[in-house]
Amino acid sequence: QAVVTQEPSLTVSPGGTVTLTCGSSTGAVTSGHYPYWFQQKPGQAPRTLIYDTSNKHSWTPARFSGSLLGGKAALTLAGAQPEDEADYYCFLSYSGARPWVFGGGTKLTVL
Amino acid sequence: QVQLVQSGTEVKKPGASVKVSCKASGYTFTGYYMHWVRQAPGQGLEWMGWINPNSGDTNYAQKFQGRVTMTRDTSISTAYMELSTLRSDDTAVYYCARDRGWSSWGQGTLVTVSS
Repeated sequence: QAVVTQEPSLTVSPGGTVTLTCGSSTGAVTSGHYPYWFQQKPGQAPRTLIYDTSNKHSWTPARFSGSLLGGKAALTLAGAQPEDEADYYCFLSYSGARPWVFGGGTKLTVL
Repeated sequence: QVQLVQSGTEVKKPGASVKVSCKASGYTFTGYYMHWVRQAPGQGLEWMGWINPNSGDTNYAQKFQGRVTMTRDTSISTAYMELSTLRSDDTAVYYCARDRGWSSWGQGTLVTVSS
């Protein structure tokens, strides 16, 4: 099974910009992996921020954006707010039957 | 509005089975795959598999093959996830989530496996 890698932790200053990345042990991440990004706060169910690389839901704050960057999926937060402090998980699809694999998650601190 | 409502907390002994339900409302149940995800205490998210509610076809993560069974009852718009031969490391919150954007998640079901 493929391994999906994320930074274990990142820190960003309020108002600052940070990019979280998501790599794959099988090679470059492409749009064909349909990258997803989820946000999870303590005691809550995950919430989907980004799907299919860069698509947002109606509840996704405009300061979040998804892209492909240097062979990885990326989630960029521009203008961090204290409420953005959370765990972020990326999620990739593999093969025609579309088994999915989560990354280990990035703990984002806004400080 | 779309809602996924899961069954309540379960406490099971090692070796037993557990069946978690996920009742869907607010959309056409057979129109979207349903995924199951779990999260052990203090750990990350783990994808378990999906079911196509229309056909009943399933696709399980390799780790769970042979132990997990996903089914559905279209008459009551409910998906089920049954995990057998439970071990202590199956203690986790289990979530259902609707495919295509994963816009909706269930509230989670805590399953505790303890002797």
